[in-house]
Amino acid sequence: DADVTQTPRNRITKTGKRIMLECSQTKGHDRMYWYRQDPGLGLRLIYYSFDVKDINKGEISDGYSVSRQAQAKFSLSLESAIPNQTALYFCATSDFKMDEQFFGPGTRLTVL
Amino acid sequence: GIQVEQSPPDLILQEGANSTLRCNFSDSVNNLQWFHQNPWGQLINLFYIPSGTKQNGRLSATTVATERYSLLYISSSQTTDSGVYFCAGVTDKLIFGTGTRLQVFP
Repeated sequence: DADVTQTPRNRITKTGKRIMLECSQTKGHDRMYWYRQDPGLGLRLIYYSFDVKDINKGEISDGYSVSRQAQAKFSLSLESAIPNQTALYFCATSDFKMDEQFFGPGTRLTVL
Repeated sequence: GIQVEQSPPDLILQEGANSTLRCNFSDSVNNLQWFHQNPWGQLINLFYIPSGTKQNGRLSATTVATERYSLLYISSSQTTDSGVYFCAGVTDKLIFGTGTRLQVFP
C-alpha cells in the first residue's frame, strides 16, 4: 500500500461548490503539507502543519482552508470553488528529524 | 526569500545519451531534493542531498552548498526517463524550481 494516499484522485466540480480533498499517511510523520501545481509550473505551498495543533499558511492560502484531524490525516477544503483553482493538488509528509518530503499521487481538480 | 532556478528548461535526447541538469538557489538552504514527475503526474523522490554526491543506478547528484548549486546527471538515458525534473530547496518548507522537461526518444 502507498505510504501517502489522496482522495479523490480526480474531481470535476462547478463554480461555487464546496469541495474537500483528503490526505492520509502511514509513514508516521508529524508534518504534512498541501501544494498546488499549475500547468508548466513547479509546486506552490498552500498550507502546512507541523503537528495536530499547528496550522500555518503557505504562499497561496487565499480561498483554501485545512483541517488536521489526526497525525495521519490532513484535509484541504475549497469553500467556494472558482475556475482558477483548477490544478493538480499534492499532499506531502516529512519527519521533524529529517526534512525530506514524500508526496502523494495527486488530485486533479477541475472547476467549471 | 529563497529562489530556485533550473536549467535548461527543455531537453530532448536520443536514448543512450547522457545529460546534466542544473539547479541554482539564491540563498542557503538546509537541504535540497530532486524529483522526477512522470507523464502521469506522479512525483518520485530521486535524491535528498544537502551536500556532496550521491548515486542511484544511472542517476547521480552533486550539491555544492557553498556555491549554491546542484547538478543531476542522467547516464544512458531511457525513454522511461522522460518527464519533468524538479529541484526544491528545503527550509522549513520546499521551494520548487520551474523544472526541466526531458524527452527521450528511441
